[in-house]
Amino acid sequence: GAGVSQTPSNKVTEKGKYVELRCDPISGHTALYWYRQSLGQGPEFLIYFQGTGAADDSGLPNDRFFAVRPEGSVSTLKIQRTERGDSAVYLCASSVAGGITGELFFGEGSRLTVL
Amino acid sequence: AQRVTQPEKLLSVFKGAPVELKCNYSYSGSPELFWYVQYSRQRLQLLLRHISRESIKGFTADLNKGETSFHLKKPFAQEEDSAMYYCALDMEYGNKLVFGAGTILRVKS
Repeated sequence: GAGVSQTPSNKVTEKGKYVELRCDPISGHTALYWYRQSLGQGPEFLIYFQGTGAADDSGLPNDRFFAVRPEGSVSTLKIQRTERGDSAVYLCASSVAGGITGELFFGEGSRLTVL
Repeated sequence: AQRVTQPEKLLSVFKGAPVELKCNYSYSGSPELFWYVQYSRQRLQLLLRHISRESIKGFTADLNKGETSFHLKKPFAQEEDSAMYYCALDMEYGNKLVFGAGTILRVKS
């Protein structure tokens, strides 16, 4: 595809449920990032992948959050036992390479609402 | 600790007027600073970065280390500039960005 693709675009779930959010980066981009944007705030860093490995997961808020990128392309952000405070837009971004500062290409985001 | 501050939630100007979107940062090292923009119903995208020292869509931003600021400026606002603007700081290495809360720019005709 031409850009970063995220699915679903909207997800409504109940407190306590498990959620998966998917990101398909731009082809050839080795670096993939997850950010979370709460209402009225800027995006906050969650995790960064270089290839298949999580190079930095320091932004994950707690152990309910986990992300994988098994083949170095598509990534899935997994949230267990969702809480109302998890409601936010989850943004995925990719860049040509990690470890250097370059342009981040963002997806349109997955809006998660936890009731 | 607040690393990037955008003091204005909303800035409203008339078409043709000068624009300045303020951004202050807190970082003792050598910062990499960016402005990202989100137009209505579009995804977040890079507008400019300070090391490029270029003008994009008529916008410029100068890094002032003494004032720890990176304000975004345009001499004559256009209606199509209406958008949400985010200032971002890269402290550690590529693209682990810290964003400000954003400023909505509304350009009125």
